[in-house]
Amino acid sequence: DQQVKQNSPSLSVQEGRISILNCDYTNSMFDYFLWYKKYPAEGPTFLISISSIKDKNEDGRFTVFLNKSAKHLSLHIVPSQPGDSAVYFCAASDSGGGADGLTFGKGTHLIIQP
Amino acid sequence: EAQVTQNPRYLITVTGKKLTVTCSQNMNHEYMSWYRQDPGLGLRQIYYSMNVEVTDKGDVPEGYKVSRKEKRNFPLILESPSPNQTSLYFCASSYSRAATQYFGPGTRLTVL
Repeated sequence: DQQVKQNSPSLSVQEGRISILNCDYTNSMFDYFLWYKKYPAEGPTFLISISSIKDKNEDGRFTVFLNKSAKHLSLHIVPSQPGDSAVYFCAASDSGGGADGLTFGKGTHLIIQP
Repeated sequence: EAQVTQNPRYLITVTGKKLTVTCSQNMNHEYMSWYRQDPGLGLRQIYYSMNVEVTDKGDVPEGYKVSRKEKRNFPLILESPSPNQTSLYFCASSYSRAATQYFGPGTRLTVL
């Protein structure tokens, strides 16, 4: 049972436009959410995170929105640049207990077209 | 520089020949874990360690072993590799179980 879902395997966006990557989760105990970016032949790198006490977190061109009632989060990249082409993983964790670490989605391949 | 290192980065081996992939972090992190990445399946956790001498199975532990004798090192051991273990492997570490994890560069393993 997939607890973190990224339903779009790939997304193509024109340079300069907004990229919106979506992620849904099913475990209501998740309270910390992250986005990772991965280039080919490299490990995933941390991009941005959000705690469940917030509904928005912004860092430069990247903004993550959290809708707890819908169990949905999204990553907005504005404006999109060619270097943003990568695979983006959504991840979630329950900081309150249990032994599980981060649960990852399957990733969305973002392609920025010139 | 804070980092997670893995060795080797690339490995081609044959079925049944024992191998070890090393992982080391210099951030004094307590939590370390191993993932494999396969097309269409994303990142799946193999094993994790909450601290020295404390390890546990992740989602796909079959065919793998780990050890955590020192805080900084967390090797992944394949006692008898099989072709279905051909994959891209990542080691990661973090301050705690639910915190942001920092990943190594990956090890591409091919088992013939």
